[in-house]
Amino acid sequence: EIVLTQSPGTLSLSPGERATLSCRASQSVGKNNLAWYQQKPGQIPRLLIFGASIRATGIPDRFSGSGSGTDFTLTISRLEAEDFAVFYCQQYGSSPLTFGGGTKVEIK
Amino acid sequence: EVQLVQSGPEVKNPGESLKISCKGSGYSFTNYWIGWVRQMPGKGLEWMGIIYPDDSDTRYSPSFQGQVTISADKSISTAYIQWSSLKASDTAMYYCVRHRLSSSWFDYWGQGTLVTVSS
Repeated sequence: EIVLTQSPGTLSLSPGERATLSCRASQSVGKNNLAWYQQKPGQIPRLLIFGASIRATGIPDRFSGSGSGTDFTLTISRLEAEDFAVFYCQQYGSSPLTFGGGTKVEIK
Repeated sequence: EVQLVQSGPEVKNPGESLKISCKGSGYSFTNYWIGWVRQMPGKGLEWMGIIYPDDSDTRYSPSFQGQVTISADKSISTAYIQWSSLKASDTAMYYCVRHRLSSSWFDYWGQGTLVTVSS
């Protein structure tokens, strides 16, 4: 089973700042078999990125994904008030599909 | 519009059985996999398993194999997950999700079904 480790656990930032979230896999997930989701309190997760760098429909371009193999990054270029949430990475390079433990982006 | 609509919240005693549902609409139900994801209170997301409704090909995460049963009735575009004997540790929110492939991202999520197991 591929273990995904997200860091940091919590990121305290102000609106307008840049957020950089990391997701590291215990073994290669393949070139780009990684997705990112956002979950706000009391809401269902929302797909942000798939294929490591492809934004899902309706996702603003301030969200971007990069990386391959074992190291991936989600970047939010300028945080807006509605972006504060928990973010999860998910690999689908091999079964079982697995999620990272999440990074909480909170308002500083 | 693609929708996955799940059955309502459940409160059960330990040892009871339970089956919750997920009805798909707005797309060809038999052409996509349906998966189940668990989220325990205050915790992260865990993939439990998937089913391909067209032929009921089913796959489980090793962590959940033997603990739950996933099924589907393509005639009514509905997938299910069931427990034969609930434990307190099954208390969680359960989401159904749509997969394009058996190994892929989840593009649509159900609204979640909260299962509470308590004596």
